[in-house]
Amino acid sequence: GQQLNQSPQSMFIQEGEDVSMNCTSSSIFNTWLWYKQDPGEGPVLLIALYKAGELTSNGRLTAQFGITRKDSFLNISASIPSDVGIYFCAGHFNTNAGKSTFGDGTTLTVKP
Amino acid sequence: DVKVTQSSRYLVKRTGEKVFLECVQDMDHENMFWYRQDPGLGLRLIYFSYDVKMKEKGDIPEGYSVSREKKERFSLILESASTNQTSMYLCASSPEDTQYFGPGTRLTVL
Repeated sequence: GQQLNQSPQSMFIQEGEDVSMNCTSSSIFNTWLWYKQDPGEGPVLLIALYKAGELTSNGRLTAQFGITRKDSFLNISASIPSDVGIYFCAGHFNTNAGKSTFGDGTTLTVKP
Repeated sequence: DVKVTQSSRYLVKRTGEKVFLECVQDMDHENMFWYRQDPGLGLRLIYFSYDVKMKEKGDIPEGYSVSREKKERFSLILESASTNQTSMYLCASSPEDTQYFGPGTRLTVL
């Protein structure tokens, strides 16, 4: 089946630093989504991208839908302790009955 | 506000027991999903359902079954729990592309 390669697997950064993570796929997607999972909770949607080349921001978060439709990245600027968690990318193809393909996640640790 | 609830946050069962994990959504979504999450392995899809009484196997269906008798409820069943099914189980629902997750059930099988 489809697979997403998400990197890095984990990051340890200092508060105030910027963060960048990305996902690549061998297949194209119609939609790229980024989720965040806080410790002990389910993932929550951060950003959804619907168009190749689209760049979307949500506060300190910026994500882009790659022009080839096979990749996406997420940037977090000026990290804060509450950014800690696991970030998942997901690709969605319209005919898949709501099913998305998830990356394995990037675990972010922020040191105050 | 969108809401997906799961019947238990923590569950401890014995090997061989039959285990039911319940998930309810209040958003009238067609699609519902069950995942298990293990460290380093991301979210692995067990089963999903795109309509009442319809189900499809995901990537790791072995040892599990599901039931969807009503649109809002999707149940995951472990017919005979084993220790390798100790994991975090996440339910989600979706109208199309975005998935809304429940808080998860951490299941321990002794």
